[in-house]
Amino acid sequence: DTGVSQDPRHKITKRGQNVTFRCDPISEHNRLYWYRQTLGQGPEFLTYFQNEAQLEKSRLLSDRFSAERPKGSFSTLEIQRTEQGDSAMYLCASSGPPGPQGNTGELFFGEGSRLTVL
Amino acid sequence: LAKTTQPISMDSYEGQEVNITCSHNNIATNDYITWYQQFPSQGPRFIIQGYKTKVTNEVASLFIPADRKSSTLSLPRVSLSDTAVYYCLVALYSSASKIIFGSGTRLSIRP
Repeated sequence: DTGVSQDPRHKITKRGQNVTFRCDPISEHNRLYWYRQTLGQGPEFLTYFQNEAQLEKSRLLSDRFSAERPKGSFSTLEIQRTEQGDSAMYLCASSGPPGPQGNTGELFFGEGSRLTVL
Repeated sequence: LAKTTQPISMDSYEGQEVNITCSHNNIATNDYITWYQQFPSQGPRFIIQGYKTKVTNEVASLFIPADRKSSTLSLPRVSLSDTAVYYCLVALYSSASKIIFGSGTRLSIRP
């Protein structure tokens, strides 16, 4: 297994265009997270999937953002009508089953997809 | 969700031991404490996780006092490659639908 992979690594687009990012988690991981990170800030939670169900979505996520995980495997994050403020690194992470005491599974992050909106 | 507070930045020198303390006054009974490391243009990477007392692995040690309201990540004999941002998180898997990162501590190691 090669870990979490994200595609594309870099995307430059013009304001108003739609973009889509793909995340392939570690195969046996049922939990998948999307984060957004801007320069000098920590990763900002966007949304969370358990299998194919989207169980949590940040209130910071406007209607222009949508995420799917149709078969509980890969996930896509689409941004419609991009704005300059959407420029950021979009990170995907996955995790597996909890530890024996229910402790949080380790998050495995991909290398991110960097979006630049001109 | 428990909020964490860490120093914004720290400086140290190669070969020194570095201790980064995180405050989490509202930690819940079942929350675990986890630390991640992030290099520029990369996703965060898990370092260590613990619930109480002390945990040690090949990379770091984690000290958690009895009241669990703080924790200290200890990096022994740091090198230049330890220059990174370090994040402290608290969460429980069963409620970990929303794992929140703070702003982290930017650690700079000098020769």
